[in-house]
Amino acid sequence: ILNVEQSPQSLHVQEGDSTNFTCSFPSSNFYALHWYRWETAKSPEALFVMTLNGDEKKKGRISATLNTKEGYSYLYIKGSQPEDSATYLCAFLDTGRRALTFGSGTRLQVQP
Amino acid sequence: EAQVTQNPRYLITVTGKKLTVTCSQNMNHEYMSWYRQDPGLGLRQIYYSMNVEVTDKGDVPEGYKVSRKEKRNFPLILESPSPNQTSLYFCASSSWVGELFFGEGSRLTVL
Repeated sequence: ILNVEQSPQSLHVQEGDSTNFTCSFPSSNFYALHWYRWETAKSPEALFVMTLNGDEKKKGRISATLNTKEGYSYLYIKGSQPEDSATYLCAFLDTGRRALTFGSGTRLQVQP
Repeated sequence: EAQVTQNPRYLITVTGKKLTVTCSQNMNHEYMSWYRQDPGLGLRQIYYSMNVEVTDKGDVPEGYKVSRKEKRNFPLILESPSPNQTSLYFCASSSWVGELFFGEGSRLTVL
């Protein structure tokens, strides 16, 4: 079983704060790294799929970077809003296994 | 509308009574998979399928079976459910290495 770790496990911030989370994954046999947003009582929804070292993706106030050589990705949220409250999951796809391995997620709560 | 549909959404059953959770997608995706979500453990993959008649075990396949006879359907079968299979189950589909589209989840309780 591949080791995909996310930190922190949970985070409480105030509205307007900027925040970031980390996803660590094996640095060998990299194929892709996914980020998902999972709101309570809903299904996970994709934010980004990243495939190239040095990739930077942005969607509104959320952005992500990727370092495949050292095996980590950062997710940034600028000016957090209460509607950003969710669990953020990363998932790693390696060349050999052809199946996504998910981290256990970072649970973000944004206080108004 | 592009979607992944799971049924049933909620089910309470008893130990040993065979059940099937259906999953259907309308996006012509090659890849489909099943996950279970348990508190503190995140999403763990049960089985996945790269295409029709091609299935493979994920990280926690014990006690489950799947089949992929048609591209759109990927049912999850619990031949003899046990209480440790009480969980929230998600089906998902994608094109090759594309983003996963998840169903709404099926909450299963095995007494």
